Amino acid sequence: DTAVSQTPKYLVTQMGNDKSIKCEQNLGHDTMYWYKQDSKKFLKIMFSYNNKELIINETVPNRFSPKSPDKAHLNLHINSLELGDSAVYFCASSQQAVSYNSPLHFGNGTRLTVT
Amino acid sequence: GESVGLHLPTLSVQEGDNSIINCAYSNSASDYFIWYKQESGKGPQFIIDIRSNMDKRQGQRVTVLLNKTVKHLSLQIAATQPGDSAVYFCAENDRGFKTIFGAGTRLFVKA
Repeated sequence: DTAVSQTPKYLVTQMGNDKSIKCEQNLGHDTMYWYKQDSKKFLKIMFSYNNKELIINETVPNRFSPKSPDKAHLNLHINSLELGDSAVYFCASSQQAVSYNSPLHFGNGTRLTVT
Repeated sequence: GESVGLHLPTLSVQEGDNSIINCAYSNSASDYFIWYKQESGKGPQFIIDIRSNMDKRQGQRVTVLLNKTVKHLSLQIAATQPGDSAVYFCAENDRGFKTIFGAGTRLFVKA
């Protein structure tokens, strides 16, 4: 009964390709996020959705397009992949949109390698 | 700008000793602070949090201390165990939509 699950766990692809990562949460949370973790373990927020509505877009290249078909799902589509996109991408959810006193629950990540 | 930094990127402790992981933050508007633990191959996992109207909060074997005067946060782990080996992140939120993470501290526990 995984709370936040994302697929695939590993993704290896070539430059220029388009790929998607899927995320689902069964916690009944209203808000979902995408974070990117680089090789130095630094975690940076990319997007946040609250009840299917985009509320955070952190100057991410428009090659990245999140989609939230319902509040339990948040997918990430990446066009024209570049070497610099290689990272671990984490999906997370929280109970409230304003995450005050509402910690994030993370999935186990998708390691994307662009060759 | 916003930043959450850590004083010690790597910490090595003997099993059974207490561990202290420190964190500095720069956004004086932040009023909610969280510690996460990330084990290899997994996502960050919530450990403990504290609101700005408190200066100390205790959990099971963990204590978080908040010093708003110097914008400092620490995580104390009592009787550190091998299973505590992981990367620890402090994070902050200013009642906005974003949780900002620090750079992380890797904790090694020697048997």
